[in-house]
Amino acid sequence: NAGVTQTPKFQVLKTGQSMTLQCAQDMNHEYMSWYRQDPGMGLRLIHYSVGAGITDQGEVPNGYNVSRSTTEDFPLRLLSAAPSQTSVYFCASRSGGQETYEQYFGPGTRLTVT
Amino acid sequence: AQSVTQPDIHITVSEGASLELRCNYSYGATPYLFWYVQSPGQGLQLLLKYFSGDTLVQGIKGFEAEFKRSQSSFNLRKPSVHWSDAAEYFCAVGLSGGGADGLTFGKGTHLIIQP
Repeated sequence: NAGVTQTPKFQVLKTGQSMTLQCAQDMNHEYMSWYRQDPGMGLRLIHYSVGAGITDQGEVPNGYNVSRSTTEDFPLRLLSAAPSQTSVYFCASRSGGQETYEQYFGPGTRLTVT
Repeated sequence: AQSVTQPDIHITVSEGASLELRCNYSYGATPYLFWYVQSPGQGLQLLLKYFSGDTLVQGIKGFEAEFKRSQSSFNLRKPSVHWSDAAEYFCAVGLSGGGADGLTFGKGTHLIIQP
């Protein structure tokens, strides 16, 4: 199993450009989520999904869109990038069993918006 | 809303000395609690987790943590640190139920190991 994969690893955007950060998992996990990590802030939840077709907002959703058309994929879209979105983005997934609740994290995407 | 506080932004420990990293949480129900470690430029690695049962949990790399409900704490400990333990450590609480999901993280503690 590849686990949770993210592409690209690095990306530079200009203000106003759009892009999609890709996230895929091959563990048949129901739950997926996106986080951003900023210095001194820890990781903050952007959006999450509890199953295909179901998404909801986390702590910092503004400026980001998500969709979940398949169990495997959970892309994060920036419609009009802003310098404030410069961050490292992590995708995570977990199985539906409450008895485990272990989140598996991808390697991250480092995004710079100029 | 749930929250996690890691009171120490930086901690410096001599190699071979013991370590305790503090974590306090605020959450209305029985929490799922985690400690993650992140080396520079790397992703997150799960050290240990608490769901229920024994309040002292053992993790990887010789780490352990104790859940104290009365103090709303989940402190991470290691009896003797190694230079390779230098990293950023994050405490997190898991949401559960009500259709919600995801982790709430503390802001992290940067661990520096002195030779």
